[in-house]
Amino acid sequence: QKEVEQNSGPLSVPEGAIASLNCTYSDRGSQSFFWYRQYSGKSPELIMSIYSNGDKEDGRFTAQLNKASQYVSLLIRDSQPSDSATYLCARGGAGNNRKLIWGLGTSLAVNP
Amino acid sequence: KAGVTQTPRYLIKTRGQQVTLSCSPISGHRSVSWYQQTPGQGLQFLFEYFSETQRNKGNFPGRFSGRQFSNSRSEMNVSTLELGDSALYLCASSLGRGGNEQFFGPGTRLTVL
Repeated sequence: QKEVEQNSGPLSVPEGAIASLNCTYSDRGSQSFFWYRQYSGKSPELIMSIYSNGDKEDGRFTAQLNKASQYVSLLIRDSQPSDSATYLCARGGAGNNRKLIWGLGTSLAVNP
Repeated sequence: KAGVTQTPRYLIKTRGQQVTLSCSPISGHRSVSWYQQTPGQGLQFLFEYFSETQRNKGNFPGRFSGRQFSNSRSEMNVSTLELGDSALYLCASSLGRGGNEQFFGPGTRLTVL
């Protein structure tokens, strides 16, 4: 079982719809989670960090964390063609092995 | 605040050569992590430097090495290049140790011929 798993997609949604991206993780001790957006040929860009159970909203983006079920999701409301990118999920580490553990990413295509 | 900078942005080398890549983190950030990204492989962690010390290392051969200077700037070196080393090399800086929010530079695209 991979430590952080994401559906590779592609996830295709029409413009204006809600895109829902999901990520599951295996380490129950994980405390911090991050969503990054990566456009083709570019570097990842941090869009959301979440540390507590529940929802965190930032503009059109909402991150949802459920530690009991070990999943974190990203909702993108009113999806725009400019949201078409690969979305990477990462969980933070702790202790001496403090590094981010990454999923392989979900490709999102927003169709005009 | 200026972001993370990486130089050079593009490199073309031949097999057997060596290469040095540079990364300047965001001002005040003390941790620099390096990643290799190839299509279909995702982000592969190379190593993390914090306060001039390597704190974590990924599963890469010894041909890959790095260092960090007192101003937090970091370099990574790849010796005896192989075709499979062709990739996007990314560095990311963070305020504290690498398990926190990381901010990426634009990357160095290395092509090995």
